[in-house]
Amino acid sequence: DSGVTQTPKHLITATGQRVTLRCSPRSGDLSVYWYQQSLDQGLQFLIQYYNGEERAKGNILERFSAQQFPDLHSELNLSSLELGDSALYFCASSVNYLAEQYFGPGTRLTVT
Amino acid sequence: AQSVTQLDSQVPVFEEAPVELRCNYSSSVSVYLFWYVQYPNQGLQLLLKYLSGSTLVKGINGFEAEFNKSQTSFHLRKPSVHISDTAEYFCAVRRNSGNTPLVFGKGTRLSVIA
Repeated sequence: DSGVTQTPKHLITATGQRVTLRCSPRSGDLSVYWYQQSLDQGLQFLIQYYNGEERAKGNILERFSAQQFPDLHSELNLSSLELGDSALYFCASSVNYLAEQYFGPGTRLTVT
Repeated sequence: AQSVTQLDSQVPVFEEAPVELRCNYSSSVSVYLFWYVQYPNQGLQLLLKYLSGSTLVKGINGFEAEFNKSQTSFHLRKPSVHISDTAEYFCAVRRNSGNTPLVFGKGTRLSVIA
């Protein structure tokens, strides 16, 4: 158990819908990262927050957005969902950007 | 930008045999290197990392990796595998300075056969 929690574990929704994925970092970790893992693209970095502020952006679509709240939990919002958004979405946390990242168990999103 | 190539998508190996999972990276600047393991239906767990110093890095579960700067490689090895080592293994790289994200390879599925 990494100490990073993600909810829900599974999510099935239809195209065009909007979903919110939630991540609680390890106690004491200020940095949260979101990754997407799909069969064709592999594991890709989406976005990073540090103590509530966006710090780095990767291959995140405009339909996707994220935020980190004062209690340091983070949410990833995916809207206008397409079939190709079906993937595993991982959250990771670390004390700072130089430290080891600890990964959560992931949320499996299926868009039908 | 950095990139990672894991040369084998699948590696079958018999129990108690040695294994090497290959990883090559590309970068114009100095990097940190990592190996992560993903067991079925779980998140990624750090196996080992190279930050600086000795090029031979020892990690958890008996794994080790050697950083070879001239060949831009960071191959993962284990002298004797167990059934429980069956998992997906990911090599990752990031710049050794600044706030830069991890860049992952496509992964290698290690299947240990009894």
